[in-house]
Amino acid sequence: AQTVTQSQPEMSVQEAETVTLSCTYDTSESDYYLFWYKQPPSRQMILVIRQEAYKQQNATENRFSVNFQKAAKSFSLKISDSQLGDAAMYFCASDSNYQLIWGAGTKLIIKP
Amino acid sequence: DTGVSQDPRHKITKRGQNVTFRCDPISEHNRLYWYRQTLGQGPEFLTYFQNEAQLEKSRLLSDRFSAERPKGSFSTLEIQRTEQGDSAMYLCASSLQDPGTVYNEQFFGPGTRLTVL
Repeated sequence: AQTVTQSQPEMSVQEAETVTLSCTYDTSESDYYLFWYKQPPSRQMILVIRQEAYKQQNATENRFSVNFQKAAKSFSLKISDSQLGDAAMYFCASDSNYQLIWGAGTKLIIKP
Repeated sequence: DTGVSQDPRHKITKRGQNVTFRCDPISEHNRLYWYRQTLGQGPEFLTYFQNEAQLEKSRLLSDRFSAERPKGSFSTLEIQRTEQGDSAMYLCASSLQDPGTVYNEQFFGPGTRLTVL
């Protein structure tokens, strides 16, 4: 069975600094996608960034980038120049054909 | 189209009552998913539809849970004889699944928060 593990229940970062959120996964699929979703307090889940497993190049979306290590089954999210609006729960997820398998989430706190 | 919508946003009910939630997906999306999210956890997959066909329902938590998507548009999730353990956020998501593609970006609604007293 596929699993996704986020070992950091909570992280904090000073505004304008950089933070990295960790995620490891396990899958038997040869072709899959990985995602980072953001869930602000009382708001809906939003896709932050996705990575296609067959692509070597790490995905980047503005201040968000990933470090995808396929052999190690690691998929970390780096947020540069952290902003107050980045405060949220961040979930790592893998795509298993029709469903997403989710980690338990990391609460990101931004210190002004 | 403004995205996935869910109704109601909050529901408080007494143990033993039946509840029904509605989800309206993004209009052109052919897949619709239901997840449950308990406090401090990631979402847990429950079921999904491709058009009106329910293609996976073995992950529904018990036979008290059922879902429909009769015309391939909106969907309902019903919980019969609610229990306190059913208290959670119920999330709906939709996606456009093209034949032959693996990628499956799911767009989420705001969720329905259920409290069972």
